[in-house]
Amino acid sequence: DAGVIQSPRHEVTEMGQEVTLRCKPISGHDYLFWYRQTMMRGLELLIYFNNNVPIDDSGMPEDRFSAKMPNASFSTLKIQPSEPRDSAVYFCASSRQDRDIYGYTFGSGTRLTVV
Amino acid sequence: DQQVKQNSPSLSVQEGRISILNCDYTNSMFDYFLWYKKYPAEGPTFLISISSIKDKNEDGRFTVFLNKSAKHLSLHIVPSQPGDSAVYFCAAGADGLTFGKGTHLIIQP
Repeated sequence: DAGVIQSPRHEVTEMGQEVTLRCKPISGHDYLFWYRQTMMRGLELLIYFNNNVPIDDSGMPEDRFSAKMPNASFSTLKIQPSEPRDSAVYFCASSRQDRDIYGYTFGSGTRLTVV
Repeated sequence: DQQVKQNSPSLSVQEGRISILNCDYTNSMFDYFLWYKKYPAEGPTFLISISSIKDKNEDGRFTVFLNKSAKHLSLHIVPSQPGDSAVYFCAAGADGLTFGKGTHLIIQP
């Protein structure tokens, strides 16, 4: 199994541009999570899906952020328009259950820099 | 309002000695706890976990202790090795996982 795959690994964009981050979860994992890591706030949950359906998006910071999961093997996190304060590392994770004593499997992350 | 707190941003330990990483939580609804390890440019990887019905779980050099009355857990690594140098995240589970900000562990040769 290739694990959770995220692309791109790095993204540098200008303020105001649209950014799309991509994630392929582990096959058979019914839960997909998007996290953001910053120095100030650590790892914070943005949104999670169960069987492709968004369950909790209360962590999405603003309407500029949106996430979709059109099928079991693909999810996107979109920021439009992007701002410098969105600069962070964005992680996607997947799991068989939302309550899993073995935790979630994380991707390698996308480092986003908005200039 | 942080529900999971790791109050030490960094910790330096000599190789061969014990590393103790601490974590406090505020939400009584958390019923399982995990530790993740993260190397630079990689995602966090699961290390060890503990259910709230236990007070200790051991896996090789890693032991997690849970004190429910104090809402405190700790990760002990003994003996510490250079490859243990990483950022360690504490996480607590109820509906989903809530993470602390992490502790950067540095193992000195």
